[in-house]
Amino acid sequence: SQTIHQWPATLVQPVGSPLSLECTVEGTSNPNLYWYRQAAGRGLQLLFYSVGIGQISSEVPQNLSASRPQDRQFILSSKKLLLSDSGFYLCAWSGQLHNEQFFGPGTRLTVL
Amino acid sequence: AQSVTQPDIHITVSEGASLELRCNYSYGATPYLFWYVQSPGQGLQLLLKYFSGDTLVQGIKGFEAEFKRSQSSFNLRKPSVHWSDAAEYFCAVGSASDYKLSFGAGTTVTVRA
Repeated sequence: SQTIHQWPATLVQPVGSPLSLECTVEGTSNPNLYWYRQAAGRGLQLLFYSVGIGQISSEVPQNLSASRPQDRQFILSSKKLLLSDSGFYLCAWSGQLHNEQFFGPGTRLTVL
Repeated sequence: AQSVTQPDIHITVSEGASLELRCNYSYGATPYLFWYVQSPGQGLQLLLKYFSGDTLVQGIKGFEAEFKRSQSSFNLRKPSVHWSDAAEYFCAVGSASDYKLSFGAGTTVTVRA
């Protein structure tokens, strides 16, 4: 069966520091991969998605970036965090049919 | 472009009572429709999905949803809620021509004893 992992689970970072969040999927190949952010009390905001290695589509211009160095690995990065980057970051994957997405456990990021 | 509206931000229901969460979508062709549930501090879990065929779909945890094309709706129901059903519920719409899903803003369900 397929599983999706995210780490770290929680992170507290100072403003201006770099960020790297990692997401990996097991048990499937060539998944579509997604990064979402959920601010406190808000809905889901799609940040990036990828349909293949090295292919990244950005949905919202901001100081975050994403990379997909391997088929089942998706990384969210920032060179300098802002206070507004605080939130709950969710990674998801989908297959090639029907686009049903399966979510990871999330990373709680607090920028101080 | 596809979009989803969940008219109810917050619903409070007594344990053992029935629950219905509303979802309306906007999409020109036949949509793919989903309901997800999120407990505090957790990821989203897929409750059920509709792609085609029977318009009444059964999901996990005793939930069901009905696709009504004429009303552009995909409402979620449960006959008798349990305290563990307290969570946030998201409706989402997708299509065969798009890799992305559009999510509603969510409905928070509180269950009182």
